[in-house]
Amino acid sequence: SQTIHQWPATLVQPVGSPLSLECTVEGTSNPNLYWYRQAAGRGLQLLFYSVGIGQISSEVPQNLSASRPQDRQFILSSKKLLLSDSGFYLCAWSVAAGGSYNEQFFGPGTRLTVL
Amino acid sequence: GNSVTQMEGPVTLSEEAFLTINCTYTATGYPSLFWYVQYPGEGLQLLLKATKADDKGSNKGFEATYRKETTSFHLEKGSVQVSDSAVYFCALSRMDTGRRALTFGSGTRLQVQP
Repeated sequence: SQTIHQWPATLVQPVGSPLSLECTVEGTSNPNLYWYRQAAGRGLQLLFYSVGIGQISSEVPQNLSASRPQDRQFILSSKKLLLSDSGFYLCAWSVAAGGSYNEQFFGPGTRLTVL
Repeated sequence: GNSVTQMEGPVTLSEEAFLTINCTYTATGYPSLFWYVQYPGEGLQLLLKATKADDKGSNKGFEATYRKETTSFHLEKGSVQVSDSAVYFCALSRMDTGRRALTFGSGTRLQVQP
């Protein structure tokens, strides 16, 4: 069966510090991968998605970046965190050949607090 | 463009009450529609889905019907339980990304009281 892992589960970082969040998927090959952010009391915002190694699509221009160094590894990074980067970060995956629908499977999330 | 609009919460109900959470959408083409649920402190889980007009998705007593004429996908349950307390998100698959990416609504918090 497929599983998705995220770490760390929680993180408290000062403004201006770097960030690296990691997501890995097991039990599937060549998945589509996604990073979402959920700000307090708000819905989900798609940040990045990837259809293959080294292929990243950015949804919102900001100080975050994403990379996919391996087939089942997706990393979210920042060189300098802002207060507005605080939130709950969710990684998700889906089957590459989505067909008529595109069910996504979510990881447990990382709660980031920037102080 | 693509967008999903959900009724604002929180929705507070007593146990065994009937639930409706409204969801309407704007999209190009014929997206697939989803309801996801987020329990406190957890990630999202798929609750149900519908891939074409007039399809009814159902799971755990929840139902939603894909209504193309009204561009709606309202979530219903006949008798809610305390364990249904969570945040519910309506979503659609984006045709401009080959159905790869989803657009989510802002979520509706449901609180069920014993």
